[in-house]
Amino acid sequence: DQQVKQNSPSLSVQEGRISILNCDYTNSMFDYFLWYKKYPAEGPTFLISISSIKDKNEDGRFTVFLNKSAKHLSLHIVPSQPGDSAVYFCAASDENTGNQFYFGTGTSLTVIP
Amino acid sequence: EPEVTQTPSHQVTQMGQEVILRCVPISNHLYFYWYRQILGQKVEFLVSFYNNEISEKSEIFDDQFSVERPDGSNFTLKIRSTKLEDSAMYFCASALTGDEQYFGPGTRLTVT
Repeated sequence: DQQVKQNSPSLSVQEGRISILNCDYTNSMFDYFLWYKKYPAEGPTFLISISSIKDKNEDGRFTVFLNKSAKHLSLHIVPSQPGDSAVYFCAASDENTGNQFYFGTGTSLTVIP
Repeated sequence: EPEVTQTPSHQVTQMGQEVILRCVPISNHLYFYWYRQILGQKVEFLVSFYNNEISEKSEIFDDQFSVERPDGSNFTLKIRSTKLEDSAMYFCASALTGDEQYFGPGTRLTVT
């Protein structure tokens, strides 16, 4: 029962272009969403988050969009840089029941110089 | 910048043996977690710990697993009798408020 899904296991983007990573969830009680970035041999690193009361949150080159009706969120990276090459995990939680995060399976982003 | 640390980075053990995975969370954090990631699969929640007790645990976290914060700085995960399927990366995380969890680099557990 995968409550958070990332249907694209990998994505390749040219340097300078936009990277769009997608995430779908099934639990309508989720109200807090995060993106983590993971390099090989390291733990996931927090990137950006969004609460369900918002539909967009921006931090520098990173923007997360939330579409609650579609139970969909996306991470946009503009412009993409080679250092962005990593695995990106989407995670969600229901803050009313605890702080357990449900992770997607990850999307491996490769930014080609 | 403060960070979560985990030791060892790689642990190899025989099936049936006990292992203890160690974590040092960020010093002023109040919430502590263990996750695992089996190779090629998603990151799975195991347990959360707050105020010196387990606050939530998943189905994976059965009687073979236990957690402890023995001395106010370390946070340990013990697996009493390891099984082959326990082979995974184990990540510790800590949080000040529970909203943003900071992860350690992980311990790779290999059960042979």
